[in-house]
Amino acid sequence: GQQLNQSPQSMFIQEGEDVSMNCTSSSIFNTWLWYKQDPGEGPVLLIALYKAGELTSNGRLTAQFGITRKDSFLNISASIPSDVGIYFCAGDPGDGGATNKLIFGTGTLLAVQP
Amino acid sequence: DAGITQSPRHKVTETGTPVTLRCHQTENHRYMYWYRQDPGHGLRLIHYSYGVKDTDKGEVSDGYSVSRSKTEDFLLTLESATSSQTSVYFCAISETRTLGSPLHFGNGTRLTVT
Repeated sequence: GQQLNQSPQSMFIQEGEDVSMNCTSSSIFNTWLWYKQDPGEGPVLLIALYKAGELTSNGRLTAQFGITRKDSFLNISASIPSDVGIYFCAGDPGDGGATNKLIFGTGTLLAVQP
Repeated sequence: DAGITQSPRHKVTETGTPVTLRCHQTENHRYMYWYRQDPGHGLRLIHYSYGVKDTDKGEVSDGYSVSRSKTEDFLLTLESATSSQTSVYFCAISETRTLGSPLHFGNGTRLTVT
């Protein structure tokens, strides 16, 4: 089935470093979302993007909806130990509205060393 | 976890046995979804519901059925469990199916089929 290409697969960084991850697709998406998953829990929504070119921040997190509608990136500034987890991008292929039949990336595992 | 309870949280069952997973929400949201999460695949949509008694198939629906007799409950049934259905299953809900109403996930059910 359709899947998003998410990279990198994993990152091991020092506390205080900035992080960047991205998602690409061969298809156009109407909405891009970024989720974080902690061990033993479900994904939690971090940022939702609804317009091509949109740049949205949530605290130390910044995400952008690519102008071609085929990609998105997530940046985390000044990482802290609680940023550890798996980050997923997800796209909604809905045309003119949301379907919420999301297509997910395979995830980026982030490890932060204090 | 947006008022979503999944039960059981863990289950081990034998090949060929039927299994039912339950998702209960207290948000009175119309839309409910079942996803499965496997290494290397991210999350993939199994079935979804857009109202009581209204359900439809997702990307990986073979071997699964669902039922929604009440707004708050969405059941996922494996009629005859197979080892390939060993996975972590997540329920998700959304209030509407429009932009600005993203999915919120439960904490998952880890199912092992031996």
